[in-house]
Amino acid sequence: GDSVTQMEGPVTLSEEACLTINCTYTATGYPSLFWYVQYPGEGLQLLLKATKADDKGSNKGFEATYRKETTSFHLEKGSVQVSDSAVYFCALRADKLIFGTGTRLQVFP
Amino acid sequence: EAGVVQSPRYKIIEKKQPVAFWCNPISGHNTLYWYLQNLGQGPELLIRYENEEAVDDSQLPKDRFSAERLKGVDSTLKIQPAELGDSAVYLCASSLLAVGNEQFFGPGTRLTVL
Repeated sequence: GDSVTQMEGPVTLSEEACLTINCTYTATGYPSLFWYVQYPGEGLQLLLKATKADDKGSNKGFEATYRKETTSFHLEKGSVQVSDSAVYFCALRADKLIFGTGTRLQVFP
Repeated sequence: EAGVVQSPRYKIIEKKQPVAFWCNPISGHNTLYWYLQNLGQGPELLIRYENEEAVDDSQLPKDRFSAERLKGVDSTLKIQPAELGDSAVYLCASSLLAVGNEQFFGPGTRLTVL
């Protein structure tokens, strides 16, 4: 069945460092791809999405490109802030949302 | 605009006791979802409602779990009896009816079964 694999955390970075969180997927069709973020004590929020191959989703300085050839949707940010500390979930949607296990990001001043 | 509301936020019960979680979706959202999130894992869909109808409950353990969405608005998820392995976060989400619309998540109910 469809599945999402993302890198394990925690990812620990200093402020202003570059971030990459890897995500790969397995799907029989052409799913839409998502990154959700969960801040401490809050619900999941949609961060960005891409609905077809080569689409780039972006929001709040984060970017991810839908790579069909490598079945990947890696999350990137050029300069992280302390406020970016959260758990990030990669997800795909064919007939329903399927999430990865989440990657905790910790950013220190 | 209010988001998805869930209560209680935290619940501690002893095994074999019943427990219920309540969700109030965003106004106007016809589709409502219940997810289970185990520690260190991503959410997994338990049940999806379109208005009052449960259109996907294939992952709901029907021996002990039940859900209802009367009048197509609020929803309740029940576990009876609870087991130790049910300790998790139960998330509710809602969206507009059409396929592909963004799901908005509530803060979840953290259940601890002792």
